[in-house]
Amino acid sequence: NAGVTQTPKFRILKIGQSMTLQCTQDMNHNYMYWYRQDPGMGLKLIYYSVGAGITDKGEVPNGYNVSRSTTEDFPLRLELAAPSQTSVYFCASSWVAGGTDTQYFGPGTRLTVL
Amino acid sequence: AQSVTQPDIHITVSEGASLELRCNYSYGATPYLFWYVQSPGQGLQLLLKYFSGDTLVQGIKGFEAEFKRSQSSFNLRKPSVHWSDAAEYFCAVGGSAGKSTFGDGTTLTVKP
Repeated sequence: NAGVTQTPKFRILKIGQSMTLQCTQDMNHNYMYWYRQDPGMGLKLIYYSVGAGITDKGEVPNGYNVSRSTTEDFPLRLELAAPSQTSVYFCASSWVAGGTDTQYFGPGTRLTVL
Repeated sequence: AQSVTQPDIHITVSEGASLELRCNYSYGATPYLFWYVQSPGQGLQLLLKYFSGDTLVQGIKGFEAEFKRSQSSFNLRKPSVHWSDAAEYFCAVGGSAGKSTFGDGTTLTVKP
């Protein structure tokens, strides 16, 4: 039982490039989330999903896109990377809504945009 | 709107000393409250959570937290800190509306 896995662990992008951050969970959780964590700050919700085929925006969705074609996978797409997107990105999952349930986090992806 | 304030950005304690990390929340209904710990280079791990019932909640690694509705607080405590407790600690609030809001975190340093 691997829990929540994320790839890659580290990535450096040039301004204007695009990339996909991968997230997979093997706990059969319905809910999945993408957060970003900037230095000295808490986690800000980018997008979340309540099940396969259903996604919704969080606090800071601009510049990102998501899809959820299966229960296990929830990739995050960055289009036209900007320096403001330099951050650590965490994927998480939970059985029921994250406001009422424990969230299980992946180890994170550290992204630098130069 | 829901919010969480962790007033202490950084706390240093000596090994073996007691610890209290503060958390104040704002939420319009009965809150669900969480404490998570983040070790360097790792994701967040749940320490404990409060939904209802006894206002003193026990968690993993010897941590406990007390919910005080009148003060809108959910402070985390540990009677004797170990060097391995050095980490960043996040308080979060949520509810049936769906999503959690995290505080900005408190970094704990443990002196030998």
